[in-house]
Amino acid sequence: GAVVSQHPSWVICKSGTSVKIECRSLDFQATTMFWYRQFPKQSLMLMATSNEGSKATYEQGVEKDKFLINHASLTLSTLTVTSAHPEDSSFYICSARRTGEGEKLFFGSGTQLSVL
Amino acid sequence: GQNIDQPTEMTATEGAIVQINCTYQTSGFNGLFWYQQHAGEAPTFLSYNVLDGLEEKGRFSSFLSRSKGYSYLLLKELQMKDSASYLCGRNNAGNMLTFGGGTRLMVKP
Repeated sequence: GAVVSQHPSWVICKSGTSVKIECRSLDFQATTMFWYRQFPKQSLMLMATSNEGSKATYEQGVEKDKFLINHASLTLSTLTVTSAHPEDSSFYICSARRTGEGEKLFFGSGTQLSVL
Repeated sequence: GQNIDQPTEMTATEGAIVQINCTYQTSGFNGLFWYQQHAGEAPTFLSYNVLDGLEEKGRFSSFLSRSKGYSYLLLKELQMKDSASYLCGRNNAGNMLTFGGGTRLMVKP
């Protein structure tokens, strides 16, 4: 069964609004979670590393003020796309490692964001 | 960057064998992942190689050569359901995982 839950699965919003995506580790604590973005027919691009209790680490080219990451608990990380624009439309997916599973990353089911 | 390179697309016939290659920069390398991803779905784990050699798991096998910065995923007895994208991912220093562009495999009858 799923070990990482992501919600919502899809969202449509108007340009200029903000959208929050949640990523939960279901039966384990995740001090670190990873957020990826994926455009159609392209691979996953790492956006940021979410660290529980501290600031996220963003990859080069990713706007910190636009993609707000909060990792307030050991089982929840959120990604908020602020003032969304049509070019932010993409598939966003989170992942985490589970203790005892080594380096394997478990992925959430992803969120398809469409900005009108 | 990590310079992870893999073919963009491949086509193979049902029942056949296909090999998907992946090359990467060797500096700061910790291990090599392969994931399968069907369109619109989350990637699912296939393999993780740290040491040189071939690891076999049923119809899927993965090979790694650390000195050459090279890996391949071998799929045997192809089935239609194997049509998907196959992502080569590099586990880097700091335990971040970065992916290549993915290889879209189409299995034809």
